[in-house]
Amino acid sequence: GEDVEQSLFLSVREGDSSVINCTYTDSSSTYLYWYKQEPGAGLQLLTYIFSNMDMKQDQRLTVLLNKKDKHLSLRIADTQTGDSAIYFCAETFTGGGNKLTFGTGTQLKVEL
Amino acid sequence: DAGITQSPRHKVTETGTPVTLRCHQTENHRYMYWYRQDPGHGLRLIHYSYGVKDTDKGEVSDGYSVSRSKTEDFLLTLESATSSQTSVYFCAISESGDKGGHGYTFGSGTRLTVV
Repeated sequence: GEDVEQSLFLSVREGDSSVINCTYTDSSSTYLYWYKQEPGAGLQLLTYIFSNMDMKQDQRLTVLLNKKDKHLSLRIADTQTGDSAIYFCAETFTGGGNKLTFGTGTQLKVEL
Repeated sequence: DAGITQSPRHKVTETGTPVTLRCHQTENHRYMYWYRQDPGHGLRLIHYSYGVKDTDKGEVSDGYSVSRSKTEDFLLTLESATSSQTSVYFCAISESGDKGGHGYTFGSGTRLTVV
């Protein structure tokens, strides 16, 4: 089966960069995603990367993919208090019918 | 989220009673999914649908059944609720299958407590 692992907590100061890491085991992943969940809400798609890419940048967000090590990271530049949330990585794979396998989530806390 | 609604938002039920959760979409997306979210487990897939009357099991399907009689509605039923089914349930929709890249659109969730 597929396993997607994340560290549970990350605390940063406002204005610093945050880096949230994710490791996965399924080498046939096609797309990898980052979702954000604010308290009491559903998940919101932040960004995604196709498996043949190494990096994708979208405003304050930078996604890095190391396919050899099966490692995905999300960097948030100039982290703000509004970025405090749970962040999930997720993967889908060929023949999977777009079923997403989610990581356990990383709780990001931004302190003043 | 716009285009997908879940009902009810909160429910408390007793052990052994049947419970049905509803997901309704206005996006005409083909794919619909039910996940449960539990601390330390992230989101785990219960069942999904790839069209009207076409459904399949996910990784945690025991104790759950689903039905999709029309494109816009996907129902999740707990035939006889147990305390282990206390969780937050999320419905999601997707416009494509293996093409990927579109991710999901999630509903706001249903918090179910089985006492």
